[in-house]
Amino acid sequence: KNQVEQSPQSLIILEGKNCTLQCNYTVSPFSNLRWYKQDTGRGPVSLTIMTFSENTKSNGRYTATLDADTKQSSLHITASQLSDSASYICVVSAGNTNAGKSTFGDGTTLTVKP
Amino acid sequence: SQTIHQWPATLVQPVGSPLSLECTVEGTSNPNLYWYRQAAGRGLQLLFYSIGIDQISSEVPQNLSASRPQDRQFILSSKKLLLSDSGFYLCAWSVGQVTYYGYTFGSGTRLTVV
Repeated sequence: KNQVEQSPQSLIILEGKNCTLQCNYTVSPFSNLRWYKQDTGRGPVSLTIMTFSENTKSNGRYTATLDADTKQSSLHITASQLSDSASYICVVSAGNTNAGKSTFGDGTTLTVKP
Repeated sequence: SQTIHQWPATLVQPVGSPLSLECTVEGTSNPNLYWYRQAAGRGLQLLFYSIGIDQISSEVPQNLSASRPQDRQFILSSKKLLLSDSGFYLCAWSVGQVTYYGYTFGSGTRLTVV
C-alpha cells in the first residue's frame, strides 16, 4: 500500500529561524514528489516538484531535497516569515497514470511566531 | 490562463438536507477533475476523480455522489447530509500526466452539518 508519512505533525518556530520538514514515502513505482503549502481555509498551492533524477529544487526561501534511494524528502525553509505559517503537504505520485492516484501526507502545521 | 472556481465558500446545512457543491475550470480542455475532503487537522482524502464526462470513479464508500455534466464542470452532491459529512471540500484539476504537472486546487468549501 502506498503511504506518505510526514514529520513533525506540528512545529513552532520564531520568525527569522530556519526549519526542516520531513517526508518519507513508500510509493511505487515512483514518479515525482511535490510539496504544497496550504494556508488556513484555502486550497493547497504547489511549491516544488521533484522527479527521480532531481535531488534538490529551490523556490525562493524554500528548498526541497529528495533521496530516491531512501525514499525521503525534506523541505527546508530559510529565514522564516510570519506568512510561512501554514500546513505543508507532501504528495507523491506513482507511475504514469493519467488520472493521478497520488498519495497525500497528512501535512506538517508550521507556526511562525514574532 | 487556467482558473478554477469553487462555490460556495462556506455552507451550514441541517442534517438530512441535500447538498450541491459546484466546481468549474476555465482555460483548459478535458481536465482531470477531483473532489477531496479534509477533516479538521487532517490530510486530504480523495473522494472522486473524473477523467472525462460520465467517467467518474469513487474512492471511498460514502453518502456523497459526483457528476460531470460538462467537460469543465464537476458537482458534488448528497441527497441527505450526515453530521460526518462536515469538513473542508476541495475541488482540483490536472491535465496530461497529472503525476508530473500536479494539481491545481480551488479555494475550498467549508461545510458544517448541524
